[in-house]
Amino acid sequence: QKEVEQNSGPLSVPEGAIASLNCTYSDRVSQSFFWYRQYSGKSPELIMSIYSNGDKEDGRFTAQLNKASQYVSLLIRDSQPSDSATYLCAVNIGEGGADGLTFGKGTHLIIQP
Amino acid sequence: DTGVSQDPRHKITKRGQNVTFRCDPISEHNRLYWYRQTLGQGPEFLTYFQNEAQLEKSRLLSDRFSAERPKGSFSTLEIQRTEQGDSAMYLCASSLARGGEQYFGPGTRLTVT
Repeated sequence: QKEVEQNSGPLSVPEGAIASLNCTYSDRVSQSFFWYRQYSGKSPELIMSIYSNGDKEDGRFTAQLNKASQYVSLLIRDSQPSDSATYLCAVNIGEGGADGLTFGKGTHLIIQP
Repeated sequence: DTGVSQDPRHKITKRGQNVTFRCDPISEHNRLYWYRQTLGQGPEFLTYFQNEAQLEKSRLLSDRFSAERPKGSFSTLEIQRTEQGDSAMYLCASSLARGGEQYFGPGTRLTVT
């Protein structure tokens, strides 16, 4: 059973601070990892992808991957009220014929002005 | 690049009726995916196509569900004899490559009364 676990929150962070979102996954052969942002009533929006161990930075966002610990995280620097949303972690095993994403339930992030 | 589009955006139907949804992927993407999302949950993978070939189906895709992508461009998802448990957001995504970034459309919200 493929599982992706996230703390559902809510995670409350003051404006301008760093928001740290965490995700663990169960399948050791997972190869691709993604973070999506989802506003209430809207569809998921891709914000970061990461494929190898280490850090990947894109603007105010940094994704971190540790395959040995089966752990992926997302850091949001200089948090803004517009960052308030649900953040979904998604994993793609990418082996055999499989290509569907397995999602966590999401972490609800609230940025306090 | 107009993004992934879905039609209709909302559908209300009575239990027992059949419904069909359409998805148009990003034009150069040959992979197309269907997901279902219920309130408070992450999206759940249903099926995916590479060009016109349906390569993977989730156990969630019961025999009442059928998906097609006849010419490798747009796709349709049909639900026969709808049940109240089918009420959900149906999301379509597309991708350039296996294991690659998946971009979601706006979704079709289905309500079965």
